[in-house]
Amino acid sequence: GAGVSQSPSNKVTEKGKDVELRCDPISGHTALYWYRQSLGQGLEFLIYFQGNSAPDKSGLPSDRFSAERTGGSVSTLTIQRTQQEDSAVYLCASSLVGQGAAQPQHFGDGTRLSIL
Amino acid sequence: GENVEQHPSTLSVQEGDSAVIKCTYSDSASNYFPWYKQELGKGPQLIIDIRSNVGEKKDQRIAVTLNKTAKHFSLHITETQPEDSAVYFCAANTRLQGAQKLVFGQGTRLTINP
Repeated sequence: GAGVSQSPSNKVTEKGKDVELRCDPISGHTALYWYRQSLGQGLEFLIYFQGNSAPDKSGLPSDRFSAERTGGSVSTLTIQRTQQEDSAVYLCASSLVGQGAAQPQHFGDGTRLSIL
Repeated sequence: GENVEQHPSTLSVQEGDSAVIKCTYSDSASNYFPWYKQELGKGPQLIIDIRSNVGEKKDQRIAVTLNKTAKHFSLHITETQPEDSAVYFCAANTRLQGAQKLVFGQGTRLTINP
């Protein structure tokens, strides 16, 4: 498949546990984004990676959230000590990087996270 | 920073009729405006986008118009079909450390009635 791949598709865990979500972007896309979508809501930006540049973490809601991108490809989003308000769909997108021009972002199908 | 407002939040039309969804943005530097369609349990799918150097773009039954002066853009779907039923999101770009970030509207739930 040539699209953005996310795993797991669903995750149910108990409050207080740590979770790790994975995103495999489209091959050749150097930009990678994480978003959060709460039930019936729009997309909330979390973090952005581009090549070897320092990631922009301005959207992370608390220090319990972190993300990394190894080798410029696969990314993992980690949530520590999960809370019920973390329940949402976590979406990953990737894009090419243009010279001063925005490029279309392509989304995976997300991970639906439920905190009991 | 950029703020994107989308209306209406829900829209119901008869099959075959047209549907229009409108968005406004606040950042005059924004120059890229994509529209996404999201079906239940799926991620958003890009259906059309427009850049600020054009006022209108069409792709079969879908068209997008942009008014830079008024800072608003609209999605038009003609001859609607049941498979058009979904949630639609507009977005506008904003600069982020020399790169591009999208700010999304809150979404419109479109229902096509047979």
